[in-house]
Amino acid sequence: AQKVTQAQTEISVVEKEDVTLDCVYETRDTTYYLFWYKQPPSGELVFLIRRNSFDEQNEISGRYSWNFQKSTSSFNFTITASQVVDSAVYFCALRGVIQGAQKLVFGQGTRLTINP
Amino acid sequence: DSGVTQTPKHLITATGQRVTLRCSPRSGDLSVYWYQQSLDQGLQFLIQYYNGEERAKGNILERFSAQQFPDLHSELNLSSLELGDSALYFCASSVGGLRELFFGEGSRLTVL
Repeated sequence: AQKVTQAQTEISVVEKEDVTLDCVYETRDTTYYLFWYKQPPSGELVFLIRRNSFDEQNEISGRYSWNFQKSTSSFNFTITASQVVDSAVYFCALRGVIQGAQKLVFGQGTRLTINP
Repeated sequence: DSGVTQTPKHLITATGQRVTLRCSPRSGDLSVYWYQQSLDQGLQFLIQYYNGEERAKGNILERFSAQQFPDLHSELNLSSLELGDSALYFCASSVGGLRELFFGEGSRLTVL
């Protein structure tokens, strides 16, 4: 079965601190994709990044960076110099092939609060 | 703006009623997905359509049904509503394969 675990339910930090959101996944598929989505207080789900199972190169986009380690089945997300606007619920998700269908399975989310 | 349009944004109704949620995917996307987000269950996959055909089913109740029309828009029908059906219902679309899903803003359903 495919599963995504985000062990951190809530994180609260002070602005400008760095923060890492953990994501651990389980899958038997050899080809799969990992994603991060952001859900700000307004409620919409915003796509942040997609990573395929064959590409373990870390990625950086501005203050955001992602660390994919296949050996530990982890896909962690770091925000550097956090800002109040980063406050949101962040979801890690996995997409592979389950019984011939390509489903996107989400973790339970991590609620990140950045305090001024 | 993801390009996925959902209506209505908010809906309040009573138990036992029936509602229809509508979704227009991004231009060119053939796949439409429905997800339910409730406080205790997180984001749950309900159903997927690809070019008008049902492709995958998740934790969708028998009281719920969906379809995708020839113009690719989709509707999620929820009937015999219960208090527990109150949730945020998301539609998402994708070009297909294992690509990312783009989500609409959601339809918040409140059942009283």
